[in-house]
Amino acid sequence: AQKITQTQPGMFVQEKEAVTLDCTYDTSDPSYGLFWYKQPSSGEMIFLIYQGSYDQQNATEGRYSLNFQKARKSANLVISASQLGDSAMYFCAMREGRYNTDKLIFGTGTRLQVFP
Amino acid sequence: NAGVMQNPRHLVRRRGQEARLRCSPMKGHSHVYWYRQLPEEGLKFMVYLQKENIIDESGMPKERFSAEFPKEGPSILRIQQVVRGDSAAYFCASSPIRQVSGANVLTFGAGSRLTVL
Repeated sequence: AQKITQTQPGMFVQEKEAVTLDCTYDTSDPSYGLFWYKQPSSGEMIFLIYQGSYDQQNATEGRYSLNFQKARKSANLVISASQLGDSAMYFCAMREGRYNTDKLIFGTGTRLQVFP
Repeated sequence: NAGVMQNPRHLVRRRGQEARLRCSPMKGHSHVYWYRQLPEEGLKFMVYLQKENIIDESGMPKERFSAEFPKEGPSILRIQQVVRGDSAAYFCASSPIRQVSGANVLTFGAGSRLTVL
């Protein structure tokens, strides 16, 4: 069974608008972490935001926020006030606590295109 | 404080040749992870190493692939007798010693792009 699911292969958003990128996950481990990474066309992987399974509040980092709905097992990334430089691939990833490592399992990604 | 350094950034090999990809983790990081990204796909875990130890190689193909992280020097991902299907981006990530609480964030290198002709 796929552990991280990103159902949107591609998304378009107009500059200055907000956009939500979907991510659902599957785990039986009560302790886990959820991550979002950005991969621009240059190819590097850039960490954006982290949410722990026991965190009471949704994580925020500047224009990025994570809409964490534990019962639904979803961890959607919200980008507010989109900028042209936000155009990139976005990957959701999960770390399961039982393995006691920082190993991540990645989704297949969503390609975001921001247009003027 | 330099980030995770990978080299070469681009490597071209003919079928049957060997490919060696190197990764120097961030200063102070002792854990290295290797991932492979096929075109238009997400990253797939390959192997997790600490100095002189392979901790988890559950994602490594059974043949032709090996990895090491010696006491001194970078981590090496070695692919013997490359085939066209090995063409991919190979990413290395590092992290510090795991904390009891909180999150370690994997810091990725820029990747090494292998093309097999």
